[in-house]
Amino acid sequence: GAGVSQSPSNKVTEKGKDVELRCDPISGHTALYWYRQSLGQGLEFLIYFQGNSAPDKSGLPSDRFSAERTGGSVSTLTIQRTQQEDSAVYLCASSTHYEQYFGPGTRLTVT
Amino acid sequence: AQSVAQPEDQVNVAEGNPLTVKCTYSVSGNPYLFWYVQYPNRGLQFLLKYITGDNLVKGSYGFEAEFNKSQTSFHLKKPSALVSDSALYFCAVRLNAGNNRKLIWGLGTSLAVNP
Repeated sequence: GAGVSQSPSNKVTEKGKDVELRCDPISGHTALYWYRQSLGQGLEFLIYFQGNSAPDKSGLPSDRFSAERTGGSVSTLTIQRTQQEDSAVYLCASSTHYEQYFGPGTRLTVT
Repeated sequence: AQSVAQPEDQVNVAEGNPLTVKCTYSVSGNPYLFWYVQYPNRGLQFLLKYITGDNLVKGSYGFEAEFNKSQTSFHLKKPSALVSDSALYFCAVRLNAGNNRKLIWGLGTSLAVNP
């Protein structure tokens, strides 16, 4: 079946611009997660959606970052006024009960 | 504070030799434990998990891990390493309480299998 998909796969933007990253989770998965991974580094948790509950936003690094999940499915991560330190791979994952299934990521480069 | 530790940034092993990638955790209660693998230029893949039951769990690609409650460890093992096992390995823990499914992640261990 279809896995988690993310778009775009690569995004190059100028410092100060806004970007939107999209995640399509596996159908029927109630939980959705966003992470950030710098080159060769570990995962930095950003935000977590679980069903209709209020999202866990505890990992968002600043108020320039926001995310929404519409209709319990597709999610969009928005970064406003991008900075060079935002350059990273942004990973989305979804799950039902236990393990998380990851998308291929969006590589964001801020110039 | 709740945490997951992967004490080795890098592990080197010769092809055909057994490998171990270490993971210890510090969380309350009885957690769920996971291993994920990230091959070069590829996404993260689920490898195996411990939820309950037998302490030795088997996963994909011939990997296994042993849950040791007294040592709060969940080391990843494989009897005979392959060059293709070279990748970045992450240990993760989820609290077995409430409905929060957020994972606590280790920083990763880079495994290099030498031919």
